[in-house]
Amino acid sequence: GENVEQHPSTLSVQEGDSAVIKCTYSDSASNYFPWYKQELGKGPQLIIDIRSNVGEKKDQRIAVTLNKTAKHFSLHITETQPEDSAVYFCAATRVNDMRFGAGTRLTVKP
Amino acid sequence: DAGVIQSPRHEVTEMGQEVTLRCKPISGHNSLFWYRQTMMRGLELLIYFNNNVPIDDSGMPEDRFSAKMPNASFSTLKIQPSEPRDSAVYFCASSPRTGKDTEAFFGQGTRLTVV
Repeated sequence: GENVEQHPSTLSVQEGDSAVIKCTYSDSASNYFPWYKQELGKGPQLIIDIRSNVGEKKDQRIAVTLNKTAKHFSLHITETQPEDSAVYFCAATRVNDMRFGAGTRLTVKP
Repeated sequence: DAGVIQSPRHEVTEMGQEVTLRCKPISGHNSLFWYRQTMMRGLELLIYFNNNVPIDDSGMPEDRFSAKMPNASFSTLKIQPSEPRDSAVYFCASSPRTGKDTEAFFGQGTRLTVV
């Protein structure tokens, strides 16, 4: 089955700086890579996703890059704000399998 | 839309008791997922329904766990008998598409504590 590793487990940045979270996966058949943000006491919420036929996707301050050859993908957040503080999860999926990374706790210091 | 609705938000029960968690998916969504979240194991997919039919229950940890989806607007996850190691946050999620390779909309979760 799929195995997803996520790094770092914690990340602290100053407001306005960029944050990068990386995930690697093992199953070359995985074709959909979502990123979820989970705030305290709430369920995960999708913030951006990418499919395997695309190398990069942007949505305002967030972007995701995918390297299928190396089997890794990354979340990039620019101009971080205190409200970006949360736990972020990556996932690698295909039609009949889904695995989440262990999560990254991001803290943005004002 | 109110999103995925789960109840109760918190449940405290004694070991050996039956626990039932409830979920109302987003109207029109045909896929429903139950997840368990713990510090040790992270987010784990327990079971996946498509069009009210259980497609993959390989994540259900033991026979003590069972899930049903009697109609498109309601699902339950039952634990009988409950054990302290079942303590976790249980999430229900739904999706408008078929398959696991799709965006999932999560509920607020049920925090279960078994004492």
